[in-house]
Amino acid sequence: EIVLTQSPATLSLSPGERATLSCRASQSVSSYLAWYQQKPGQAPRLLIYDASNRATGIPARFSGSGSGTDFTLTISSLEPEDFAVYYCQQRSNWPPGAFGGGTKVEIK
Amino acid sequence: EVQLVESGGGLVQPGGSLRLSCAASGFTFSSYEMNWVRQAPGKGLEWVSYISSSGSTIYYADSVKGRFTISRDNAKNSLYLQMNSLRAEDTAVYYCARDSNDNFDYWGQGTLVTVSS
Repeated sequence: EIVLTQSPATLSLSPGERATLSCRASQSVSSYLAWYQQKPGQAPRLLIYDASNRATGIPARFSGSGSGTDFTLTISSLEPEDFAVYYCQQRSNWPPGAFGGGTKVEIK
Repeated sequence: EVQLVESGGGLVQPGGSLRLSCAASGFTFSSYEMNWVRQAPGKGLEWVSYISSSGSTIYYADSVKGRFTISRDNAKNSLYLQMNSLRAEDTAVYYCARDSNDNFDYWGQGTLVTVSS
C-alpha cells in the first residue's frame, strides 16, 4: 500500500507570499497524483490532476509539479481565499485511493 | 450544474446500521464512477469505497470491508452506502464524490454520521 507524506504539516505565510507544499510517495505513482483544497466546513475541491494539470476554473497561481515519488504544489502569490488545508492523493496503485495527511496553510 | 447531495446521516449506537444516499443531478450519472470518502472530526480525508459506472466493479477500504456496502441506482441517479456494525471510529462526515478520469472532480456537501451510545 502506497503511503503519501505531506510536509510541512502547517505553513504560516502572509498574503502575497509564495507557498510550496510537498507530497512524497512511499513508492512511485508515476504522474497519477492529484491535489485538493479544503476550506473549513466545506467539501474538498480538485485543484490539480495528473501532477501538473489545473482543474477547471482553478486560477493560474496554482501549479503542480513532480513525478515518481516527489511532488510539489506551488501557490505563486497567496490570496486571502487560499488559506486552507491541502491534500494530495494518488491513483497509481488503486485501491486504496490514499490521501496524504494534509498541509494547513495559515495566515502568519 | 453538477450537484451531489448526501443524506441519511445521524446518530446511531455502536453495532447499529445506517444507509447513506447521494442524489446526483446535472450530469449523466450512469456514465461516471463514484466514490465515498469520509473525514473524522478534525482529521484528514479517508477514501471508503468505489463503484464503477455500471456497478459491476466495487472496492472497499480495509477499514470498512465486510461491514459497508456500496451500491447505485442509475435509473434514480443515486448512490448509496449501507453501513452495518458501526463503530465509534466510523464517526465522520461522509462525502460522495464523482470520479472523472481517476480524479474526484465534484463532491457533495457531506453528511455527518455519529456513532455513540
